[in-house]
Amino acid sequence: EIPLTQSPGTLSLSPGERATLSCRASQIISSSFLAWYQQKPGQAPRLLIYDASSRASGIPDRFSGSGSGTDFTLTISRLEPEDFAVYYCQHSETFGQGTTVDIK
Amino acid sequence: QMQLQESGPGLVKPSETASLTCTVSGASISGSYWSWIRQPPGKGLQWIGYIYYDTGYTNYHPSLKSRVTISVGSSKNQISLRLTSVTAADTAIYYCARGTISSPATFGSWGQGTQVTVSS
Repeated sequence: EIPLTQSPGTLSLSPGERATLSCRASQIISSSFLAWYQQKPGQAPRLLIYDASSRASGIPDRFSGSGSGTDFTLTISRLEPEDFAVYYCQHSETFGQGTTVDIK
Repeated sequence: QMQLQESGPGLVKPSETASLTCTVSGASISGSYWSWIRQPPGKGLQWIGYIYYDTGYTNYHPSLKSRVTISVGSSKNQISLRLTSVTAADTAIYYCARGTISSPATFGSWGQGTQVTVSS
């Protein structure tokens, strides 16, 4: 199991701003299995990004993923009101602890 | 459109076994990997394990391996989870999810989850 560390723990931003979320692995991992999920209160998680940079079906293009090796990033180019949520990165059997994006 | 629906006992006594079922509708259950993932109250996600429906191949999280069994359910469109010797630490929402075509442990579709509370 390779631990994933997400930062920051909480990101306070306003609608229209850019959000940059980080996910760092303790050792080099394959980009092929790096995914990002969004979870809103009372809902199941939703797959946003897989293979580090591919958007899942139906995901708006304001969401993008990048990175390789040990450092990966989820970027939301312009926050919409519905984007305020918790975001998790995941690789194989491991999830990061999550980043909360809340309204400033 | 595919739907996943988890069901379970809700309340389980400490040291007993929790048995959960995931019912798949709107899509074929064969040809896919099916995972169980849980989320303790106010905490993050933990992958429990998966099964490949066609062969019954399973893979479990190392920390839970000794207590977990994932199997094909009694009905052809169901996946089951058994978790033995439960404690309060097993209190969580339990989700079932389908792996993507390219990765068994990338979860493209999720159920809404079922709450399991361990308490006497």
